[in-house]
Amino acid sequence: AQSVTQLDSQVPVFEEAPVELRCNYSSSVSVYLFWYVQYPNQGLQLLLKYLSGSTLVKGINGFEAEFNKSQTSFHLRKPSVHISDTAEYFCAVAYNQGGKLIFGQGTELSVKP
Amino acid sequence: NAGVTQTPKFRILKIGQSMTLQCTQDMNHNYMYWYRQDPGMGLKLIYYSVGAGITDKGEVPNGYNVSRSTTEDFPLRLELAAPSQTSVYFCASSYGRASSTDTQYFGPGTRLTVL
Repeated sequence: AQSVTQLDSQVPVFEEAPVELRCNYSSSVSVYLFWYVQYPNQGLQLLLKYLSGSTLVKGINGFEAEFNKSQTSFHLRKPSVHISDTAEYFCAVAYNQGGKLIFGQGTELSVKP
Repeated sequence: NAGVTQTPKFRILKIGQSMTLQCTQDMNHNYMYWYRQDPGMGLKLIYYSVGAGITDKGEVPNGYNVSRSTTEDFPLRLELAAPSQTSVYFCASSYGRASSTDTQYFGPGTRLTVL
């Protein structure tokens, strides 16, 4: 079955430290990969997406993610986080045949001063 | 542009009551979606629509109904509310399918509690 796994439910980190949020998906020939962010009491916003081409994708707010086909991973990174990055982050995958997004369980990033 | 708007923001229902969650988008998007978000479970697709007059089931459609009479509106109907439907509901829209280059845009959500 097609699935997305976010390996950490909670990630606490200090301000200005680097962070990596991990995401793995079940293998498929073609995938389209997304990271969404949800700030408290708000809807989801797109951070970045991988459709094709370069495996390193840059998004908004200084985030980037790397598509690794052999590892079936799409981990999200930021070299230096801010308090304002505190939010829940969702990895999502769309497979070619269905076109519908499958979401991971979410990772709660908590940035402490 | 207002984007995707949802009403109400909060609602408490009694078991067996019915209600409609409203969703409107002003971006002229073809595709619209309803998700529910449960703690630790991510988002699950309830129903989606590829255009006015066309709807289809998602992963968790039981207990819900939808209609799409216009491009802008995609209401979600709960006929007989059950405690298992306590959740946060998100509406989203996109110009095309998620597997294209088009992004899904989400509304702010409706927090529903069924007691």
